[in-house]
Amino acid sequence: DAGVIQSPRHEVTEMGQEVTLRCKPISGHNSLFWYRQTMMRGLELLIYFNNNVPIDDSGMPEDRFSAKMPNASFSTLKIQPSEPRDSAVYFCASSPPGTTKNYGYTFGSGTRLTVV
Amino acid sequence: DQQVKQNSPSLSVQEGRISILNCDYTNSMFDYFLWYKKYPAEGPTFLISISSIKDKNEDGRFTVFLNKSAKHLSLHIVPSQPGDSAVYFCAATTNDYKLSFGAGTTVTVRA
Repeated sequence: DAGVIQSPRHEVTEMGQEVTLRCKPISGHNSLFWYRQTMMRGLELLIYFNNNVPIDDSGMPEDRFSAKMPNASFSTLKIQPSEPRDSAVYFCASSPPGTTKNYGYTFGSGTRLTVV
Repeated sequence: DQQVKQNSPSLSVQEGRISILNCDYTNSMFDYFLWYKKYPAEGPTFLISISSIKDKNEDGRFTVFLNKSAKHLSLHIVPSQPGDSAVYFCAATTNDYKLSFGAGTTVTVRA
């Protein structure tokens, strides 16, 4: 089991550029989450997919952020245009159905995004 | 609005002694509480959880205590080992998907 795989590990981009973060969940996990970690706000849920369908996107900061899950093995989080305040560590996580309460979910290693 | 609070940003403990991490919450609808551990440059990893109908859950060296009336939970690590040095996050949920996290407590275990 390779775990949740995120790419890239680090991304440095200039303000105004488009950024795409990628995630491959654990096979068989039908729930996928994107979290963002910042000093100011800690870990916060951006969006939750269940069976490839977005269920809760109330945490997505604004229209500059979009997320897709075209199939069960791949998801993207896109920021367009990027701004310096988007600098953070973005985590993807996945879990099997109905297990979050007892076992939480498995996080990837994160993508550290720096927007200059 | 931080519904889960970890008021101690750091904790230093000697190897072999007990580490006690504290967490307070404000939302009385939370029905499950979880602890995660995070090493640098890695994602958080699940450690232990507790249902709101229990007041204690134990897994090896890790025990979580829940005091619902005080809206407080704690994680005890006994005995503390150097590999326990990490950031510990308290989290809570009212459903089966969204976790609300605290800000984390950095634990340093001294040899």
